[in-house]
Amino acid sequence: AQSVTQPDIHITVSEGASLELRCNYSYGATPYLFWYVQSPGQGLQLLLKYFSGDTLVQGIKGFEAEFKRSQSSFNLRKPSVHWSDAAEYFCAVAPRMDSSYKLIFGSGTRLLVRP
Amino acid sequence: DTGVSQNPRHKITKRGQNVTFRCDPISEHNRLYWYRQTLGQGPEFLTYFQNEAQLEKSRLLSDRFSAERPKGSFSTLEIQRTEQGDSAMYLCASSLGTGLAGGTYEQYFGPGTRLTVT
Repeated sequence: AQSVTQPDIHITVSEGASLELRCNYSYGATPYLFWYVQSPGQGLQLLLKYFSGDTLVQGIKGFEAEFKRSQSSFNLRKPSVHWSDAAEYFCAVAPRMDSSYKLIFGSGTRLLVRP
Repeated sequence: DTGVSQNPRHKITKRGQNVTFRCDPISEHNRLYWYRQTLGQGPEFLTYFQNEAQLEKSRLLSDRFSAERPKGSFSTLEIQRTEQGDSAMYLCASSLGTGLAGGTYEQYFGPGTRLTVT
């Protein structure tokens, strides 16, 4: 079945530490890949996206993500976390063969930042 | 570009009442999407429009739900005879989908309408 998996429900890191949030997908062909962030009371904000080409993509707020076809993964990374990064992070995919380009989201990872 | 706006931001209603939400997309965007997000979950697709045409509806969209996008601008989502299970955040997103290879697929989300059914 087609799915998006974020295996970590919660992650806690210390401010200044590095971060990696995991995302795996299960689709017949590589979909379009996205990471969104949701802060309390705010809408979803697009951090970065992968359509094709370079498998390491840079996003806003110092985030990057690496697409690994062999692992069906699109993990989000940040070298040094700031307290303001505390939020919920969602991985999402849009199947290429679906002309609606509707997004299918994982269940999210809540990031807590220790001072 | 003022972003996607949604009204109201919060709605509390009693079971059995009808509610209507409004979404104003980014002005030049031709695609508009509705999603529903329950606590602890990621958003789930409900329906989408290209201009004024509603092109797809999810199985989540029961007969009590109806969405419109007259004139291809703002959209409304109506829920009739609300049930407690309808309590959720309703998110609207818009994108510029040209249908061509050069189209973009990035969706921009509004802040959502939080519905509580008592």
